[in-house]
Amino acid sequence: SYELTQPPSVSVSPGQTVSITCSGDKLGDRYAYWYQQKPGQSPVLVIFQDNKRPSGIPERFSGSNSGNTATLTISGTQAMDEADYYCQAWDTSTAYVFGTGTTVTVL
Amino acid sequence: EVQLVESGGGLVQPGGSLRLSCAASRFTFSSYWMHWVRQGPGKGLVWVSRISSNGSSTSYADSVKGRFTISRDNAENTLYLQMNSLRAEDTAVYYCVREDSTTSRGKYYYHGMDVWGQGTTVTVSS
Repeated sequence: SYELTQPPSVSVSPGQTVSITCSGDKLGDRYAYWYQQKPGQSPVLVIFQDNKRPSGIPERFSGSNSGNTATLTISGTQAMDEADYYCQAWDTSTAYVFGTGTTVTVL
Repeated sequence: EVQLVESGGGLVQPGGSLRLSCAASRFTFSSYWMHWVRQGPGKGLVWVSRISSNGSSTSYADSVKGRFTISRDNAENTLYLQMNSLRAEDTAVYYCVREDSTTSRGKYYYHGMDVWGQGTTVTVSS
């Protein structure tokens, strides 16, 4: 079965840029999606189809996907961005696979 | 506001059954594919099952195949998950999720899971 691997945690200072990686075999051949989940809340879609932002998602969230790695970047990180982030890959064979999740701590 | 409200969770013994429901409101439920996604205590998100907009197509994660059944009632705007032969490892919060997707010239485009319910907790324990 297809697997997506993320670093367990990353930390960032307020106002700085943080990148979260998601690794999977030939992930760049598939679309990548990113979800944000704050403690006690349901997940929220923040990036779809590699680099598109749903309505209402701040511009500081961006995404890229190439080779075996997809990346979510948060620029000018704010305290409210502290959350767990999950990548997801989709194609007709992968179906709906989630990554292992990354906790972002804003120090 | 678009809303998904799950119900039906609870404590059940190993080997038991439970049926989850998800009431959809403020969107055209019959136009959307729907999913169940679960999250074990302190763990990550795991996709469980998906059903097409008219209910004709379903798919399941290998871990639940043959034990869980997804269904929907478009007249009642409700999604279901029938869970049989429950195991301790099925303990989780179960989310009802709307899929955003389009079809153009016969090609399917997945845009992500754009609406999530608040979740209902299933605990399998003796």
